Amino acid sequence: KNQVEQSPQSLIILEGKNCTLQCNYTVSPFSNLRWYKQDTGRGPVSLTIMTFSENTKSNGRYTATLDADTKQSSLHITASQLSDSASYICVPREYGNKLVFGAGTILRVKS
Amino acid sequence: ETGVTQSPTHLIKTRGQQVTLRCSSQSGHNTVSWYQQALGQGPQFIFQYYREEENGRGNFPPRFSGLQFPNYSSELNVNALELDDSALYLCASSAIGLNTEAFFGQGTRLTVV
Repeated sequence: KNQVEQSPQSLIILEGKNCTLQCNYTVSPFSNLRWYKQDTGRGPVSLTIMTFSENTKSNGRYTATLDADTKQSSLHITASQLSDSASYICVPREYGNKLVFGAGTILRVKS
Repeated sequence: ETGVTQSPTHLIKTRGQQVTLRCSSQSGHNTVSWYQQALGQGPQFIFQYYREEENGRGNFPPRFSGLQFPNYSSELNVNALELDDSALYLCASSAIGLNTEAFFGQGTRLTVV
């Protein structure tokens, strides 16, 4: 069964600090991996999308890495802001059209 | 704004009733996927529609059904509602293809009492 495990489940950091969220997946065959940000009660919004041949991709203060051999990905957030408080969801895509969602990491940024 | 609109935004139903949720896809997108998100969990895939045909289904019972219309908007129907059906229902629209972006609506919060 395709699975996605994210860690930590939740995280609290001070404004201005950096953090890294982890994702391990067993989706196979695999075509790409996305990271989404989801505010409470809202739909997810895409941050990055990487194909299996890409190792890193940045979107402003967000940098995602991917190791398709070990099936691991990470999302690094630099100089966190209060507005970064949200759930961050790792989403590998099966070769086809099905997105497989992780449970997410809940990030809270404190002032 | 993603251009994907869901209605209604909130809904309260009684156990055993039926409900229809609606999603209008982004212009140019011919694929709509539906997800159920329980509190504290990631979204779970219900099914996907491509050009008015079901194009994949997750592990949901037949009382979850759907439609896609010629303008690519979509409906999710749930019959015989159960308390566990209470969740945020999300739809995502995309163009068919491996690396195309999927854009989500704001969701419909369904509460079954």
